[in-house]
Amino acid sequence: DTGVSQNPRHKITKRGQNVTFRCDPISEHNRLYWYRQTLGQGPEFLTYFQNEAQLEKSRLLSDRFSAERPKGSFSTLEIQRTEQGDSAMYLCASSPAEGNNNSPLHFGNGTRLTVT
Amino acid sequence: AQSVTQLDSQVPVFEEAPVELRCNYSSSVSVYLFWYVQYPNQGLQLLLKYLSGSTLVKGINGFEAEFNKSQTSFHLRKPSVHISDTAEYFCAVNPRSGGYQKVTFGTGTKLQVIP
Repeated sequence: DTGVSQNPRHKITKRGQNVTFRCDPISEHNRLYWYRQTLGQGPEFLTYFQNEAQLEKSRLLSDRFSAERPKGSFSTLEIQRTEQGDSAMYLCASSPAEGNNNSPLHFGNGTRLTVT
Repeated sequence: AQSVTQLDSQVPVFEEAPVELRCNYSSSVSVYLFWYVQYPNQGLQLLLKYLSGSTLVKGINGFEAEFNKSQTSFHLRKPSVHISDTAEYFCAVNPRSGGYQKVTFGTGTKLQVIP
């Protein structure tokens, strides 16, 4: 278990630029989640993958956001035409699919995005 | 739908003193309950979880939590805190049924341990 890995750890970009983040989940985990965390708030759900299928998207995920998990392994989250309101910590989490919903989420260390 | 309320945004406490971090939740369905800890610039780590059975659950680093169904609470406690416990703590709920872990987090409580 090497843990969930996220890259980059920090990203500073100018408003209007596109950014892409990567998440490598724990290898045997089928489920992958993206969350956003802003200052003073808990993580907020963005989207969920079961293997390569994106099964749910939050209303928080505007059409400027797109997420993929092409081979059911790593995932990318792209934000187009970034806005200052996109500044946040983007967290990736994974969990096994077997059993019911009592497995905890395993989080990466996040990518902190700052839009100037 | 679920919601989680952590009324205390910050809790200062002296080293070796006891601490309680409060969590109340609301849900129209049966849920599992979790506490996560987040150290600066890191992701969240599981502290403990309540699935069923005994309402008092023990977690890592000497923390424990008690599930109270009638009060819909899941307060976190530690009898004697250490400097290394300084972190942010999140209470979370997850519906027992459904296709995936649709976890709802509280807004967090920052625990500051004073030497």
